[in-house]
Amino acid sequence: ETGVTQTPRHLVMGMTNKKSLKCEQHLGHNAMYWYKQSAKKPLELMFVYNFKEQTENNSVPSRFSPECPNSSHLFLHLHTLQPEDSALYLCASSQTVNTEAFFGQGTRLTVV
Amino acid sequence: TQLLEQSPQFLSIQEGENLTVYCNSSSVFSSLQWYRQEPGEGPVLLVTVVTGGEVKKLKRLTFQFGDARKDSSLHITAAQPGDTGLYLCAIPYENTDKLIFGTGTRLQVFP
Repeated sequence: ETGVTQTPRHLVMGMTNKKSLKCEQHLGHNAMYWYKQSAKKPLELMFVYNFKEQTENNSVPSRFSPECPNSSHLFLHLHTLQPEDSALYLCASSQTVNTEAFFGQGTRLTVV
Repeated sequence: TQLLEQSPQFLSIQEGENLTVYCNSSSVFSSLQWYRQEPGEGPVLLVTVVTGGEVKKLKRLTFQFGDARKDSSLHITAAQPGDTGLYLCAIPYENTDKLIFGTGTRLQVFP
């Protein structure tokens, strides 16, 4: 039990679909992150939220749209994705930014 | 170019062997974290090192932060199949809110 829950665990979507990934943390943390992990690339930071405010966008294409309605919830809205967007999407939280991160189990996304 | 380079990229060993993996950069960091990721799971924090030259032990795992705070190593004694996984180092990127991860070392320990 990591305290960070991601849903769904697996998602297959077409390039014209719209879907959302959800992340919830029960740790009382103030910072939340989205990372992308592809087979042949290192773990890539996508977005950082600190106290519900987005503080980092790591040059992520606009077809990925994050939303943080409160410090416990983080969403990643997906639309018109490409096959190369297929990857494991990991959510993490930490007490404050850049302190030890606690990860969810990830959503395995396949774009067809 | 990668901020954090880890080596080796892959490592396959027999149970009982010792091994060391490395995390290197040309930049100085205030602290460094080590994580292990098992298949189908997210990374799990193992340790944080903050002082140059610091050595921390976690059972059979020994972590060292370089004196100049530019590199770190993880040594595993008498590896077991349960040590199998992806080992990642991470650093807070100075003056940003970014927690940046290294390229990773994928370890396989055979019984």
